[in-house]
Amino acid sequence: NAGVMQNPRHLVRRRGQEARLRCSPMKGHSHVYWYRQLPEEGLKFMVYLQKENIIDESGMPKERFSAEFPKEGPSILRIQQVVRGDSAAYFCASSPGTEAGNTIYFGEGSWLTVV
Amino acid sequence: GQSLEQPSEVTAVEGAIVQINCTYQTSGFYGLSWYQQHDGGAPTFLSYNALDGLEETGRFSSFLSRSDSYGYLLLQELQMKDSASYFCAVPNAGKSTFGDGTTLTVKP
Repeated sequence: NAGVMQNPRHLVRRRGQEARLRCSPMKGHSHVYWYRQLPEEGLKFMVYLQKENIIDESGMPKERFSAEFPKEGPSILRIQQVVRGDSAAYFCASSPGTEAGNTIYFGEGSWLTVV
Repeated sequence: GQSLEQPSEVTAVEGAIVQINCTYQTSGFYGLSWYQQHDGGAPTFLSYNALDGLEETGRFSSFLSRSDSYGYLLLQELQMKDSASYFCAVPNAGKSTFGDGTTLTVKP
């Protein structure tokens, strides 16, 4: 009965490199969300995906960031040409649907440090 | 758009009761959720209020007043392990918008 699985838990990248964060939703969940959390701040919505579709990417920076949730395999958040300001915790969450009141379940997060 | 306001910090002693308030402004409202997050950990769901009134789950209760765009999380019989950040959140069209969180420090 695995929960939301994220990897890697910790990732260090040099400026200009690429970061790839993976997320496998809870069993039976087809909706995936990515949130970013800067130190001492709240969770900021980035993107909402269903299998093979981006539903809402209104919180995603227009450049360097992309997300996918392929038919097979985990959801991936990709950050190209990372900068120091990308250092944050990236949380993935999943839910069974979008009905009001559906709880979203979070993974343990991926901590990205850009040096 | 959506915005939620909650106090940044609250301190209380073990065994006491503490209330964390949350006011919100939303373009569409379906309910108010609360999450707990320990340092370095994942946010975990605590409660959800769709209707006005009080929902009780053990030592934690959550209240909602839709007419006042206000809710609170009530923690009773505080324990040291309750030291954490608490976030209110408004779900809308799948995604949830979170407040900036209230850091609760429980002292002996």
